[in-house]
Amino acid sequence: DAGVIQSPRHEVTEMGQEVTLRCKPISGHDYLFWYRQTMMRGLELLIYFNNNVPIDDSGMPEDRFSAKMPNASFSTLKIQPSEPRDSAVYFCASSLQGGHTEAFFGQGTRLTVV
Amino acid sequence: AQSVAQPEDQVNVAEGNPLTVKCTYSVSGNPYLFWYVQYPNRGLQFLLKYITGDNLVKGSYGFEAEFNKSQTSFHLKKPSALVSDSALYFCAVRDGYNFNKFYFGSGTKLNVKP
Repeated sequence: DAGVIQSPRHEVTEMGQEVTLRCKPISGHDYLFWYRQTMMRGLELLIYFNNNVPIDDSGMPEDRFSAKMPNASFSTLKIQPSEPRDSAVYFCASSLQGGHTEAFFGQGTRLTVV
Repeated sequence: AQSVAQPEDQVNVAEGNPLTVKCTYSVSGNPYLFWYVQYPNRGLQFLLKYITGDNLVKGSYGFEAEFNKSQTSFHLKKPSALVSDSALYFCAVRDGYNFNKFYFGSGTKLNVKP
């Protein structure tokens, strides 16, 4: 397996634009997590899915953020409209059994909003 | 409140010397503890975990960690550091109520000098 695949690796966009980040989890993993990493706040959990269903989105900062998982092999994180303070590295991770097992992280998407 | 603390932003060691990266935690119930490593421009990689059993846990690349319940600590150790161990290390604890949520420490940058 190629691991968790995220795209794009880098995204530069102007304030107010819509941004969509994509993730392909490891096949067979039932849990998918979206994290955001910044210098100020470290690694924060935004939302996680179990069997394609959003379970906890309490970490999503605002209504501008939304996430979907239409099937077991694909998830998106959308920011609309984007703001400079959204600049961060966004990681997708998947795991086999949630809290009992380790998570496998993608390489991340570095988002810069200017 | 549930949390993880990594008291040192940076740890410097000479190659061949033992290393310790510190982690303390606060969680309700039995702790599930993890260590991850992050190399530049990469996602986090799992090193080891403590779920139950022996307090000394062995993991990847020669790393080990010692769980100490009375001190609520889970320090990462390696008997002999390598220059290639230089990276950012994160401790994580599973939420005591929502078993699929993890709290990550702020990270410790390990510098191993030749």
